[in-house]
Amino acid sequence: GQNIDQPTEMTATEGAIVQINCTYQTSGFNGLFWYQQHAGEAPTFLSYNVLDGLEEKGRFSSFLSRSKGYSYLLLKELQMKDSASYLCAVMDSNYQLIWGAGTKLIIKP
Amino acid sequence: GAVVSQHPSRVICKSGTSVKIECRSLDFQATTMFWYRQFPKKSLMLMATSNEGSKATYEQGVEKDKFLINHASLTLSTLTVTSAHPEDSSFYICSARGPGQGLETQYFGPGTRLLVL
Repeated sequence: GQNIDQPTEMTATEGAIVQINCTYQTSGFNGLFWYQQHAGEAPTFLSYNVLDGLEEKGRFSSFLSRSKGYSYLLLKELQMKDSASYLCAVMDSNYQLIWGAGTKLIIKP
Repeated sequence: GAVVSQHPSRVICKSGTSVKIECRSLDFQATTMFWYRQFPKKSLMLMATSNEGSKATYEQGVEKDKFLINHASLTLSTLTVTSAHPEDSSFYICSARGPGQGLETQYFGPGTRLLVL
């Protein structure tokens, strides 16, 4: 079966760095996405990785290792507004998105 | 960037009634639209994929007679929850993709929260 695993909840301090991990097992691979979702809102796109390596975009970076079925989202200089759920999703061989359950990130002052 | 809207953003209805949710692509033509449902603290679940002018493809376990999807134009898709029951209460999200956009592209609407009493 297809499976996306990520931690349920993480807590970090304002100004610090946090890494959210995601491991996956899917039938085929056409890229991995990270989305941010605030409570009661739709997901907003953060990053897309299809090749191995690190993609940096401002305070957010995303890493992919296809051989390990592993990705992480790195958030630097955390701000209170970063408190949200972070969803990992993999596009399978049929170009369907397989979603993880999300990691709720709590930022403390 | 591409914008997708949903209407209504929130709806409360009585059990047994039908509810229609609209999904519109505002600045591009959406050849493909996706409908998702999300329960609290759970991941998004794809309900169906619709291509303009053709019947929607429903995921396994989703009742097509209960969740009617119409993608009649390149900018509008509707999801009708027929004879809604309390267990249909959920957050419904649509996303869209246009011609020339990669298959990895999906633009999400803001979601519709449905509460069935």
